[in-house]
Amino acid sequence: SQTIHQWPATLVQPVGSPLSLECTVEGTSNPNLYWYRQAAGRGLQLLFYSVGIGQISSEVPQNLSASRPQDRQFILSSKKLLLSDSGFYLCAWAVSTDTQYFGPGTRLTVL
Amino acid sequence: AQSVAQPEDQVNVAEGNPLTVKCTYSVSGNPYLFWYVQYPNRGLQFLLKYITGDNLVKGSYGFEAEFNKSQTSFHLKKPSALVSDSALYFCAVRDPSRSYQLTFGKGTKLSVIP
Repeated sequence: SQTIHQWPATLVQPVGSPLSLECTVEGTSNPNLYWYRQAAGRGLQLLFYSVGIGQISSEVPQNLSASRPQDRQFILSSKKLLLSDSGFYLCAWAVSTDTQYFGPGTRLTVL
Repeated sequence: AQSVAQPEDQVNVAEGNPLTVKCTYSVSGNPYLFWYVQYPNRGLQFLLKYITGDNLVKGSYGFEAEFNKSQTSFHLKKPSALVSDSALYFCAVRDPSRSYQLTFGKGTKLSVIP
């Protein structure tokens, strides 16, 4: 069966510091991968998606970037965090364009 | 552009009573519709989806949803609510012309009262 991991689970970072969040998927090959951010007001915002190694599409221009160095690894990064980057970050995977399955999430607080 | 509306921020229902969480959508083509549930500080869990076929879709944990094309709705239902159903529920739509993207509603908080 497929599983998706995210780490860390919780992160507190100062403004201006770098960020690296990691997502890995097991039990499937060549998945589509997604990064979402969920603000305190509940809504989910798609940040990036990837259909293959090195292929990244950005949905919203902002202070973040994504990379996919391996087939089942998706990384969300920032060089300098802003207060507005605080939120709950969710990674998801899908086979082709079917149902998306979500990881447990990372709670990021920028102080 | 595709969009999803969940008109109720919160729904309260007594344990054992039927529950309905409402969702309406707007897409340019035939919609792919999804329901997810989220427990506090957890990721979203997939409940069910409608792609084509029977308008009544059955999913996990006894939930079902009814697709109504004329009303552009996809309401989530359960005949008898459990306290453990208390959570945040999200409706989502995928426009077939934008296959890689889901658009989510803002979520409805369901509280089941013992």
